[in-house]
Amino acid sequence: ETGVTQTPRHLVMGMTNKKSLKCEQHLGHNAMYWYKQSAKKPLELMFVYSLEERVENNSVPSRFSPECPNSSHLFLHLHTLQPEDSALYLCASSQFLDQPQHFGDGTRLSIL
Amino acid sequence: GIQVEQSPPDLILQEGANSTLRCNFSDSVNNLQWFHQNPWGQLINLFYIPSGTKQNGRLSATTVATERYSLLYISSSQTTDSGVYFCAPGGGFQKLVFGTGTRLLVSP
Repeated sequence: ETGVTQTPRHLVMGMTNKKSLKCEQHLGHNAMYWYKQSAKKPLELMFVYSLEERVENNSVPSRFSPECPNSSHLFLHLHTLQPEDSALYLCASSQFLDQPQHFGDGTRLSIL
Repeated sequence: GIQVEQSPPDLILQEGANSTLRCNFSDSVNNLQWFHQNPWGQLINLFYIPSGTKQNGRLSATTVATERYSLLYISSSQTTDSGVYFCAPGGGFQKLVFGTGTRLLVSP
């Protein structure tokens, strides 16, 4: 059982579309994270939120826009993506920053 | 930023064998976590171990922060242990840096 739920599990979109990825955690954690996992590359941290405030923006292109309306929900809004953005997008949460991180099952994104 | 090197990159074991995975990192850290990504892509947190030794069933981990390495031990391996093992040290409070992983295949 995972306490971090991501939807959708799979997403195919064109380069001109706008879509959003959703992450919800049921663990009572205060920090949430977005990671990108591309083929043959290490996981890359994209964004970090702590108590609904963004504390890290790891040089991510502006076509990715995060939103954290409360400590249980995290969104990643996507627009005008490129083929190289095709990847597995993983959400994680932790009690506080610098605590064990727990991951969702990810959204596999394919850009046509 | 922190550089992370994991070895070996690939490992094939017979069921029941033991193994040691190594993680070297370039800077002092106050956070280090080990993860297992199963063949379905699910990432499971195995250990939070910035220093010292911890054990959880057949798995144990040791981090020697002063010498900048961590080890993950798998004993009596099972086919369900297959997948990729990631080490992720962190220097700041929020940023884990993931290694490229050790891909483990345990055959029956």
